[in-house]
Amino acid sequence: GAVVSQHPSWVICKSGTSVKIECRSLDFQATTMFWYRQFPKQSLMLMATSNEGSKATYEQGVEKDKFLINHASLTLSTLTVTSAHPEDSSFYICSAIQSIRGYTFGSGTRLTVV
Amino acid sequence: TQLLEQSPQFLSIQEGENLTVYCNSSSVFSSLQWYRQEPGEGPVLLVTVVTGGEVKKLKRLTFQFGDARKDSSLHITAAQPGDTGLYLCAGGSNYKLTFGKGTLLTVNP
Repeated sequence: GAVVSQHPSWVICKSGTSVKIECRSLDFQATTMFWYRQFPKQSLMLMATSNEGSKATYEQGVEKDKFLINHASLTLSTLTVTSAHPEDSSFYICSAIQSIRGYTFGSGTRLTVV
Repeated sequence: TQLLEQSPQFLSIQEGENLTVYCNSSSVFSSLQWYRQEPGEGPVLLVTVVTGGEVKKLKRLTFQFGDARKDSSLHITAAQPGDTGLYLCAGGSNYKLTFGKGTLLTVNP
C-alpha cells in the first residue's frame, strides 16, 4: 500500500531558528502533497497544497514567507518553519494523494519551540 | 468555504455500549472519508464513501453516506477500549480534504 514517511517525528528548537520537515512518498509518485497543522485535541487544518515543480498554494491566513514549502521531486515535499516562535509549536502532518480517493498521511512531526 | 460539522465533539462511554458520530455539511462532497487518529500519530483511513446512500461495514463499524452526499454517520457496535481515539470525517472536493473538528471517543473498561 501507499506509504508516506515524515521526518523528523519530533523536534525541539530555539526561538528564532528555522526547522525543516520532510515528507516522502515511499512507493509511489505524488505530484500533490498537503501540509496540515493540528493543535492538541483539535482537528487538522490545511495549511497549503504542495505541487511538484510549481509554487505551493497556501490557505487563507497562512503566511507563505513563514512556512516555506518546496516540492522539488515527485517523492519529496519539505516544509520549513522560518524564524520559529513558541506559537508555532504544533503537530504538523503531511499527506500525499495517489488518486481522488487515495490520501495517505504521514505520522506527523511534533514541533516544540522554546 | 466548505465546512463539516461533526458531533458530538467528546464522547465517553462504557465498554459494550453502542455509539453514533455524525458529520454534516451544507456542501456536496465527491467523497467522504472517516479516519481514526491516535495521539502523536497521523490519521489512518477507515473508509471512503462516494455514492449517495452508500452503507459500508467494517467489522463493528458501520458507515453511511447521505443520499445528497452532504452528511455521513459512523456507528460503532459494542465499543471496546481499543476503539478509543479521535475520529475525523473529511470531505473530498477538487483533490482537497476538508476535515470536521473530530470526535474524541473514550471507551472505559
